[in-house]
Amino acid sequence: AQKVTQAQTEISVVEKEDVTLDCVYETRDTTYYLFWYKQPPSGELVFLIRRNSFDEQNEISGRYSWNFQKSTSSFNFTITASQVVDSAVYFCALTPGGAGNNRKLIWGLGTSLAVNP
Amino acid sequence: GAVVSQHPSRVICKSGTSVKIECRSLDFQATTMFWYRQFPKQSLMLMATSNEGSKATYEQGVEKDKFLINHASLTLSTLTVTSAHPEDSSFYICSASQTLETEAFFGQGTRLTVV
Repeated sequence: AQKVTQAQTEISVVEKEDVTLDCVYETRDTTYYLFWYKQPPSGELVFLIRRNSFDEQNEISGRYSWNFQKSTSSFNFTITASQVVDSAVYFCALTPGGAGNNRKLIWGLGTSLAVNP
Repeated sequence: GAVVSQHPSRVICKSGTSVKIECRSLDFQATTMFWYRQFPKQSLMLMATSNEGSKATYEQGVEKDKFLINHASLTLSTLTVTSAHPEDSSFYICSASQTLETEAFFGQGTRLTVV
C-alpha cells in the first residue's frame, strides 16, 4: 500500500520558534520520490522540495531543512526561526517509482501551521 | 522556476450550466497534466491524468461525462464541469511537469462555486 501520514493536523507557534512537521510514508517500491508543498491561504501550491529514495542526505535551504530517514520511513520538515509568512498548510507527498507512476502524487492530509506574532 | 497558469481563479455559476477551467504551462511543454480537486481543509484528490493528444485517464469514482478533460496541445489542458451542481463546488488545481524526472508545478487553483 502507498500512503503518506501527517499526524499533526494543526500546529501553532510563536514567531521565531523552530517547528518540525512530521511526515511518515509507506511504499513497497525501492524507487520513489518525496515532496513537500506549501499552500498559503490564497490557495496555490508552492513546491518546496523533491527528494528521491536514493538520496538520504539532509537538505537545508535558508530557514528550511529536511531530514530524510529511510530506516523510519520519515521525511520531516523543520522551519527555523519561524515567521508569520510561514503560516500555511504544508503537504507531504509521495510518488512511487515506475514508468507512468512517477507523477501520480499520493498526498498526506496536510499540517496547518499558524505562526503568531 | 516553471510557471503554470490556471484560469479563472474564481468562478460562480448557476446550477445546470457548464464551466471551463484552463491550465497552461507558460514556459515549458507538458506532455502530461494532472487535475486535482480539494475540499475544504482536506488534501488533494487526483481526478484525472491528462495526456496530450489522447484521452484522459480518470481515477475511480470520477465521472468522465461530467468532468471533461481536453489536452489539445503541449501547453494547454482544459477541465469542463458539465451541468454543474452545488456539490461540484470545490477548489480545482492542475499540475504539469515536463518530464518524468522533473517536479510537477501547480497552477494557482480555481475556486468554483455553483449556486
